[in-house]
Amino acid sequence: NAGVTQTPKFRILKIGQSMTLQCAQDMNHNYMYWYRQDPGMGLKLIYYSVGAGITDKGEVPNGYNVSRSTTEDFPLRLELAAPSQTSVYFCASTDSTNTEAFFGQGTRLTVV
Amino acid sequence: KNEVEQSPQNLTAQEGEFITINCSYSVGISALHWLQQHPGGGIVSLFMLSSGKKKHGRLIATINIQEKHSSLHITASHPRDSAVYICAVGGGATNKLIFGTGTLLAVQP
Repeated sequence: NAGVTQTPKFRILKIGQSMTLQCAQDMNHNYMYWYRQDPGMGLKLIYYSVGAGITDKGEVPNGYNVSRSTTEDFPLRLELAAPSQTSVYFCASTDSTNTEAFFGQGTRLTVV
Repeated sequence: KNEVEQSPQNLTAQEGEFITINCSYSVGISALHWLQQHPGGGIVSLFMLSSGKKKHGRLIATINIQEKHSSLHITASHPRDSAVYICAVGGGATNKLIFGTGTLLAVQP
């Protein structure tokens, strides 16, 4: 089925560990996004990409890195995990006309 | 001030009531999305609006571009409508989506 595939669904990290959240879409969307959602708060943009090879920072990029080597994949890298990065992470994609937004299932990350 | 403001933040309704959730934005947009998130669940797109009004089942979404305002209406509300409803706007050179903080709706039987 077409859509956004995000893995893993759950992860517990120790402080200082690193990990990569995977995101892939099969709709040939140019625009991809990573958001985090803290309890009781709205979605905050971490990084976004408007096409392969192009990425840019969102509102809350510190502590994260991304790459976009292909149109399909947009992984999010956490370096030196901190408790403040405990959150639910969502990957999303849209086409160039913003017709519809597709979201991954979310990753619940806990840093202890 | 947030670029996208939603009201109310929390809403409790009785089954069968007509519900309205509002969204105001302060940036130029090409599209406005209404999204639904169930507790512990993922996010699904309900509507994308660039003008006028759309209807899907018991859900109606309207947008007034001049006033930079959109509303989501739910007619004959049902407990299964209980969820967080999120307004998001997209546009500009990067087309990135900017989200409101969401409205938590609880429909009681």
